[in-house]
Amino acid sequence: SQTIHQWPATLVQPVGSPLSLECTVEGTSNPNLYWYRQAAGRGLQLLFYSVGIGQISSEVPQNLSASRPQDRQFILSSKKLLLSDSGFYLCAWSAGQGDTGELFFGEGSRLTVL
Amino acid sequence: QQQVKQSPQSLIVQKGGISIINCAYENTAFDYFPWYQQFPGKGPALLIAIRPDVSEKKEGRFTISFNKSAKQFSLHIMDSQPGDSATYFCAASERTGGSYIPTFGRGTSLIVHP
Repeated sequence: SQTIHQWPATLVQPVGSPLSLECTVEGTSNPNLYWYRQAAGRGLQLLFYSVGIGQISSEVPQNLSASRPQDRQFILSSKKLLLSDSGFYLCAWSAGQGDTGELFFGEGSRLTVL
Repeated sequence: QQQVKQSPQSLIVQKGGISIINCAYENTAFDYFPWYQQFPGKGPALLIAIRPDVSEKKEGRFTISFNKSAKQFSLHIMDSQPGDSATYFCAASERTGGSYIPTFGRGTSLIVHP
């Protein structure tokens, strides 16, 4: 069966510090991978998605970046965090081949920037 | 611009009652309409989904009603239970390059009182 792992689960960082959130998927190959941010009252905001290694599409211009160094690994990064980067970050995957539209989400990473 | 509008933002229902959440979309190219359920501190999980070739889909106590001409769809939870208390997100997806990229509504916080 497929599983998705996301870490760290919680993170408290000072303004201006770097960020790295990691996500890995097991039990499938060539998945589509997504990073979402969830802020209160604003739903799920798509940040990045990837259909293959090294292929990243950015939906929202900001100080965040994403990378996909391996087929089932997706990393969200920032060189300098802003207060507005606080939120609940969710990684998700969907089937790359025969995509039915269903997304499978990780448990999320809660980031607090102070 | 919000492509998927969801209402209400919050909903309180008594046990055994019917919970109804509504969504409206603008892009007529959307062809997959899922609902996700999210419990506090967890990632969302697919609850039920519908494609535009049918007007209704039922799975247990959960029913999606879909009105293509009005570009609206809704989730009905019959015999609502306290365990249904969660945040519900509607979404709409368009198939792009073989992959579905969903656009989410802002979510509805449902509380079912015992």
